[in-house]
Amino acid sequence: DIVMTQSPDSLAVSLGGRATINCKSSQSVLYSSNNKNYLVWYQHKPGQPPKKLISWASIRESWVPDRFSGSGSGTDFTLTISSLQPEDVAVYYCQQYYTTPWTFGQGTKVDIK
Amino acid sequence: EVHLLESGGGLAHPGGSLGLSCGASGFSFSDDAMTWVRQAPGEGLEWVSTINHNGKITFYADSVKGRFTISRDNSKNTVYLQMYSLRAEDTALYYCARQGSSGMDWGQGTLVTVSS
Repeated sequence: DIVMTQSPDSLAVSLGGRATINCKSSQSVLYSSNNKNYLVWYQHKPGQPPKKLISWASIRESWVPDRFSGSGSGTDFTLTISSLQPEDVAVYYCQQYYTTPWTFGQGTKVDIK
Repeated sequence: EVHLLESGGGLAHPGGSLGLSCGASGFSFSDDAMTWVRQAPGEGLEWVSTINHNGKITFYADSVKGRFTISRDNSKNTVYLQMYSLRAEDTALYYCARQGSSGMDWGQGTLVTVSS
């Protein structure tokens, strides 16, 4: 199974500050035939279902503000919130869909400092 | 817009069974794989099972293999999760999700509690 490890487990950032979440997979999730990383980021707020935030490691969903960005390839990925807003308080998960079993990182809780 | 509505959650005794349903709308149901993911209280997300678009291929997490069965009825736009031999550790919020090529779109979830 591919193990997904996120860091840190939690972080608190000042309003307008930068939040950086790392996600590392135990093996590459880059599919060589199409050069795509099978890595997605979800945002999960209390009482709501998770929402897809970024797919293919770096492609924002249409609803996502451009302060969110995803980067990385192979085994190392990063989700960055460039200017944290109150509505960004949530738990963020990375997930690989390269192969079953699909696996999630343990989640990173983002709060306002 | 993708809309998924889970039902069937509730209280079950250890060793008992429970069946979940998920009705789908807003997309071409028969074209997409469907997935169940759960979240135990205070824990993260755990993939449970996936079924391909025509129901002929299924995948299960080791933790539920042999105890859970996923199925679908494309004529009813519904996916099911039949759970047997339930354990306390199966207590969780169960989400149904459309398994797209670039990740999942999620329902609101249904709560399953396994307790004596």
